[in-house]
Amino acid sequence: QSALTQPASVSGSPGQSITISCTGTSSDVGGYNYVSWYQQHPGKAPKLMIYEVSNRPSGASNRFSGSKSGNTASLTISGLQAEDEAEYYCNSYTTSSTRVFGTGTKVTVL
Amino acid sequence: QVQLVQSGAEVKKPGASVKISCKASGYTFTNYYMHWVRQAPGQGLEWMGIISPSGGSTSYAQKFQGRVTVTRDTSTSTVYMELSSLRSEDTAVYYCARARTPAVAADYWGLGTLVTVSS
Repeated sequence: QSALTQPASVSGSPGQSITISCTGTSSDVGGYNYVSWYQQHPGKAPKLMIYEVSNRPSGASNRFSGSKSGNTASLTISGLQAEDEAEYYCNSYTTSSTRVFGTGTKVTVL
Repeated sequence: QVQLVQSGAEVKKPGASVKISCKASGYTFTNYYMHWVRQAPGQGLEWMGIISPSGGSTSYAQKFQGRVTVTRDTSTSTVYMELSSLRSEDTAVYYCARARTPAVAADYWGLGTLVTVSS
């Protein structure tokens, strides 16, 4: 199972919106609405930000939203803040009943 | 509150095995699956496998098939991950994370266990 493809880095100024893509195949992202997104700050455990494509768990800011089209899922952060600077990973269920992570995207707040 | 408490850091020699524990509390242990995910230094997250705490069935990433074994002890609400034939590339932080089903996202994560493989 190959890792899902994410851009290595995305940057934006405070207050702006940015979008991170996550491209897989019909065997993972495209085949299920079980795509999630995690935020990870250096030296910390990942934190769930979005589950099942577009749902936010309690504790996740409403500035985070998710969507999916075909084999590509997306995470949008609106009203970018300094605290959003982190690494972001997508994650999908697969036809092999396993899970696969994306390659990771470093978000920089300019 | 939900807690996943992992065992401490390990240093192993190449070819050895390591067994990491993850003790769950604050919820009904048998109602949630447990994933194992690792992260090599400066690298991304890598899914390793999952166990059903109730029945003990497992599923592993193809990359780790034959080298990884995940088990659980329902009497102590603890999940174990054993990785054998260690090599330097296995140096990583290993996380456990719970999920309601194998398909849905893991919502709580342990703090991680650093395993260093060095001669």
